[in-house]
Amino acid sequence: QKEVEQDPGPLSVPEGAIVSLNCTYSNSAFQYFMWYRQYSRKGPELLMYTYSSGNKEDGRFTAQVDKSSKYISLFIRDSQPSDSATYLCAMSGGGRRALTFGSGTRLQVQP
Amino acid sequence: SAVISQKPSRDICQRGTSLTIQCQVDSQVTMMFWYRQQPGQSLTLIATANQGSEATYESGFVIDKFPISRPNLTFSTLTVSNMSPEDSSIYLCSVDLGQASDEQFFGPGTRLTVL
Repeated sequence: QKEVEQDPGPLSVPEGAIVSLNCTYSNSAFQYFMWYRQYSRKGPELLMYTYSSGNKEDGRFTAQVDKSSKYISLFIRDSQPSDSATYLCAMSGGGRRALTFGSGTRLQVQP
Repeated sequence: SAVISQKPSRDICQRGTSLTIQCQVDSQVTMMFWYRQQPGQSLTLIATANQGSEATYESGFVIDKFPISRPNLTFSTLTVSNMSPEDSSIYLCSVDLGQASDEQFFGPGTRLTVL
């Protein structure tokens, strides 16, 4: 079993839809949770960062962490075609600063 | 955040040769990492590049195959040695600014194809 599980998609939604992306993890030592967006042939771009449990909102993006369930989510409101990319969850903790990544979810927003 | 550049951006190499990838950051950073992203896959950590000492490698990666240098706090190199087609991947460096969080910022990647 992988430490971090993420549905690879692809996920196709119409423009304006609310998108929900999720990851589950098994390592209870993880404390820092990140979402990266990666466009084709580009490096990952840090989108959201959350420490421990709770919600964080930034514009159209909301990140949620539920440590009791070992489950994290990224919501994208009013999705745009420019949001079409692969979204990677990543996490760290337990004294280790290197990141453990999910497999990534490919999102396609149809105009 | 930090501005990170990598050279080369892409290369096509012959089996058995070696390629050195450079990573330059616009500010001094505490930690630098090297990741590999195989086609259609997520990122796998190769090693942590330590300034002034040997890199720390993850399970499955060895120094003879992926020698790493980090001569100062803004620069690191990763060499992919004795390449085979299985080494065809995107190689990414990332930096940790050493703050309380573990946020990491990535370079644009080096796309390597081995024939």
